[in-house]
Amino acid sequence: AQSVTQLGSHVSVSEGALVLLRCNYSSSVPPYLFWYVQYPNQGLQLLLKYTSAATLVKGINGFEAEFKKSETSFHLTKPSAHMSDAAEYFCAVSEPGNQFYFGTGTSLTVIP
Amino acid sequence: DAGVTQSPTHLIKTRGQQVTLRCSPISGHKSVSWYQQVLGQGPQFIFQYYEKEERGRGNFPDRFSARQFPNYSSELNVNALLLGDSALYLCASSRPGGVSYNEQFFGPGTRLTVL
Repeated sequence: AQSVTQLGSHVSVSEGALVLLRCNYSSSVPPYLFWYVQYPNQGLQLLLKYTSAATLVKGINGFEAEFKKSETSFHLTKPSAHMSDAAEYFCAVSEPGNQFYFGTGTSLTVIP
Repeated sequence: DAGVTQSPTHLIKTRGQQVTLRCSPISGHKSVSWYQQVLGQGPQFIFQYYEKEERGRGNFPDRFSARQFPNYSSELNVNALLLGDSALYLCASSRPGGVSYNEQFFGPGTRLTVL
């Protein structure tokens, strides 16, 4: 069975500081990995996805993530946090055609 | 292009009642999935439908059912509502087939409150 673990349910960073949100996965087959963002009272928006091409994936709004098979990780980073980045972030794993398995989420707070 | 749409946006029901939630996928998408997101948690998979057939089911009781129509829209039904069914119900559509089509596009959700 596939699963996702997001370390740190709450992360606070200062505006302009590095954002690092952690995600580790468990999968019996090469995974497809996703990061979604959710703003209050809204649905989920795709930030980026890994589909076995380049291990460093660039997404929207300056976010990127690196797939590390040896560490079974897919951490999300952004060099400089902006106030508008404050939201809930979810890491998800899937197999082609199957359902997504989401982590429990990380709430990002950006301190001015 | 219009995104995934869901109706209603908010719903209040009492215990024991039944509820129907509706979803329209993105044009051209033939797969619809339903998720339950309890406050403070990640979305949990309920159902996946493709071409009107159930392709996957999560660990939810039989009180939960769904169907997909010829136009690929979908309904989620929940019978005998419990307080614990209070959640944001998310619908997502995708074009299954290859890796590049596995991305799911989410609607804004229906907020269900059970009193």
